Amino acid sequence: QSALTQPASVSGSPGQSITISCTGTSSDVGHYNLVSWYQQHPGKAPKVMIYEGSKRPSGVSNRFSGSKSGSTASLTISGLQAEDEAEYYCCAYAGDSGYVFGTGTKVIVL
Amino acid sequence: QVQLVQSGAEVKKPGASVKVSCKAIGYTFSTYYVQWVRQAPGQGLEWMAVISPSGDRTKYAQNLRDRVTVTRDTATNTAYMEVSSLRSEDTAVYFCAREPPGSGSFEMWGQGTAVTVSS
Repeated sequence: QSALTQPASVSGSPGQSITISCTGTSSDVGHYNLVSWYQQHPGKAPKVMIYEGSKRPSGVSNRFSGSKSGSTASLTISGLQAEDEAEYYCCAYAGDSGYVFGTGTKVIVL
Repeated sequence: QVQLVQSGAEVKKPGASVKVSCKAIGYTFSTYYVQWVRQAPGQGLEWMAVISPSGDRTKYAQNLRDRVTVTRDTATNTAYMEVSSLRSEDTAVYFCAREPPGSGSFEMWGQGTAVTVSS
């Protein structure tokens, strides 16, 4: 199972909106509505930001939103803040193959 | 406090095995899946395996299924992940995480266990 494809980095100024894409196949992102997104700061464990494509866990800012079109999922961060600077990973259920993570995207707040 | 607490760092020689534990505290252990994920130094997250709430079903990443075994002990609220025939490429931080059944959400993570494979 190959890793899902994400851009290596995305940058934006405080207050702006950015979108991170996550491209998979018809066997994972395109087949199941079980895409999640994780934020990871250096040296820390990942934290779930979005699950089931667009659901936000309790306590996660509503500045984070998720969507999907075909085999590509997206994470949008609006009103970008300095604390959003981190690595972001998508993850998709792939049936009998289990789960697959994306390659990771570093978000840079300018 | 609800949390997953993992065992401490390990240093192993190539060819040896390592067993990492993940103890659930503060919640009903038997109602959640336990996922295992690893991260090599400077690299991304890699999904490894999952075990069902009752422990009767497991699933492994294709490239690891010959060397990885996941188990769980409901009496002690602890999940285990063992990697055999260790190689230098297995040097990584290993995480456990809990998943509510059917959600696909790794909603709570352990603190991670660093495993170093070196001769």
